[in-house]
Order: sequence, then structure tokens, then C-alpha cells
Amino acid sequence: QVTLRESGPALEKPTQTLTLTCTFSGFSLSTRGMCVSWIRQPPGRALEWLARIDWDDDKYYSTSLKTRLTISKDTSKNQVVLTMTNVDPVDTATYYCARSPSVNSVFFDYWGQGILVTVSS
Amino acid sequence: DIQMTQSPSTLSASVGDRVTITCRASQSISRWLAWYQQKPGKAPELLIYAASSLESGVPSRFSGSVSGTEFTLTISSLQPDDFATYYCQQYNRFSYTFGQGTKLEIK
Repeated sequence: QVTLRESGPALEKPTQTLTLTCTFSGFSLSTRGMCVSWIRQPPGRALEWLARIDWDDDKYYSTSLKTRLTISKDTSKNQVVLTMTNVDPVDTATYYCARSPSVNSVFFDYWGQGILVTVSS
Repeated sequence: DIQMTQSPSTLSASVGDRVTITCRASQSISRWLAWYQQKPGKAPELLIYAASSLESGVPSRFSGSVSGTEFTLTISSLQPDDFATYYCQQYNRFSYTFGQGTKLEIK
């Protein structure tokens, strides 16, 4: 059974660095072809893909946010971490991590429940 | 980035209706498109991938098709559980992009 769960702060101050952790089970990120992404959704708005990390540690970022994002993994802990620097109130959103069944087909078959992060002073 | 234009933004329908939601890509994405259903306060759930492949466990009343750069999600006979918001997503190339969503409401 595949599960993912996001964790991190519910509230972050502007200009700070946000760190989110995705802890998963039921699959391994050391399995050839596997990848995990982060996706966010501002309140009442559409989904936005942020970043992806592959089984072989290849990393990909949103064009618009790549200067602020870093994605990493700890295979032994079954965790993927996303950091976002210099957060702003417009970064207020529910952040999801999600698995893709293959690096060649990056749709999302399993999602975490999401974590709402509010950026406010 | 590839833009995904989804329509309509809101759709009012009744139980038993046949409904269609459309997603148009700004350039060719072959068949690299997925559809998701999202209910309030919940994560999206995968319905269809590769334009027309039904995800395991998804009812057969959901179907997908493609013509060029225009993709369609059809629900053949609406059930009460289907009233939700639907999103398309292209995965032809990153940055992966989603449509703006279609909220399916009860008429």
C-alpha cells in the first residue's frame, strides 16, 4: 500500500526559508524509474507543479521558481525534502507530494493529504 | 511552458447527465495527458492517464479522448459522487502544467 505524508510548519514568516518533508511508504525511491514531485495549490486556485526528484537523484524544477527551490531525498528514510527560500504571502498554499510510476510518464498516481502553509508576519 | 486551457470553468448538471470537459494544449503533447478529480479539502485523485487509459479502480463511466491538441473527459452518466473539480495535466515535457480546473456543480 502506497502512502505519502507531508510535514512542516503551518505558518512561515516572509523572507524565511520553508522546509517541507514528504515521508512515504509502499515503494522505494531507489527503484529504477521511480520519481516523486511536489505540487502546490493556493486557496481556491489551480494546481502548480514545483519540483521532481528521480530514483537516480536527477532533479527538475518549475521554470518560474527554480531559483528558490531545492529538492533532495534520503532513500534510507524514505523521505523527500523541498526547501523554498525567501517565501512571500503569495506562497501561501496547500503543498502536496506525489508519486509518479515512471520518469517517462510523470502523472501522479498517489498523493499525500497535503499540508497548508500560510506565509504571514 | 506549455499552457493548458480548460473549459468550461464551471458546469452545472444533473444526476444521470452526460458531461464533457475539454482541455486544449498550447502545442503538441502527443497523448501525454492525465485527468484528476478533486473534492473539497482532499488531494486530487488520478482518473485517466495517457489521454484515455483508465486508472485502476476508476468507474467505467469516466472516459478520455484526444483529437490533435484537444483532450476531452467524458462522464457518461453523472452520479452524486462525481460532483467535484476536475483538472487536466500535461506531462509531455517539464515544467508539467495543469489546467485551471472545471467545477462540476449540481443543477
